[in-house]
Amino acid sequence: LAKTTQPISMDSYEGQEVNITCSHNNIATNDYITWYQQFPSQGPRFIIQGYKTKVTNEVASLFIPADRKSSTLSLPRVSLSDTAVYYCLVGANQAGTALIFGKGTTLSVSS
Amino acid sequence: GAVVSQHPSRVICKSGTSVKIECRSLDFQATTMFWYRQFPKQSLMLMATSNEGSKATYEQGVEKDKFLINHASLTLSTLTVTSAHPEDSSFYICSARDYGQLNTEAFFGQGTRLTVV
Repeated sequence: LAKTTQPISMDSYEGQEVNITCSHNNIATNDYITWYQQFPSQGPRFIIQGYKTKVTNEVASLFIPADRKSSTLSLPRVSLSDTAVYYCLVGANQAGTALIFGKGTTLSVSS
Repeated sequence: GAVVSQHPSRVICKSGTSVKIECRSLDFQATTMFWYRQFPKQSLMLMATSNEGSKATYEQGVEKDKFLINHASLTLSTLTVTSAHPEDSSFYICSARDYGQLNTEAFFGQGTRLTVV
């Protein structure tokens, strides 16, 4: 699986937009980009997934440039409950393929 | 949506005893499930891949005789920590994907906090 690099931590205030960028220079043609969120003492939870351009759902947006060597997770108007660790993963989206987690980005939202 | 249920959510055991953790896919079949371990302030570390009807595949450095995995059905995988020691205290998480869906995300259990005293 492609190795990813993302900031270790980020701080924000309630109501702000947060953008977390992930670098994945060695992404393969068949690789998808997926972001997970993890709260303390809970299993990770899927946020969003994309292959190219832009993907938006009710929770976040994912921006992927044409070269796909990076991606940006955008969280609109964060709240205190968005404080969590966010993981960027890149790899083939097959049921038999394990996800390999990097260090993730710890997002802290303050009031 | 699809759900992976893990039980128990927390367990305290004495050194030398064994602990079994169950992972169930509630509304889909999972030929393959994955077991992770997470220490405080660290990321998830893949321990093993559990395959229904066959032996599990362990990551380098994970003792297969200590962490017994059984995947007897398409909806259940169990991880047994044998002869547990305090250093085995950790957060254990299972994961699975729906084989019936293409490009599906991975679903994770709630995790099991194991404390060995």
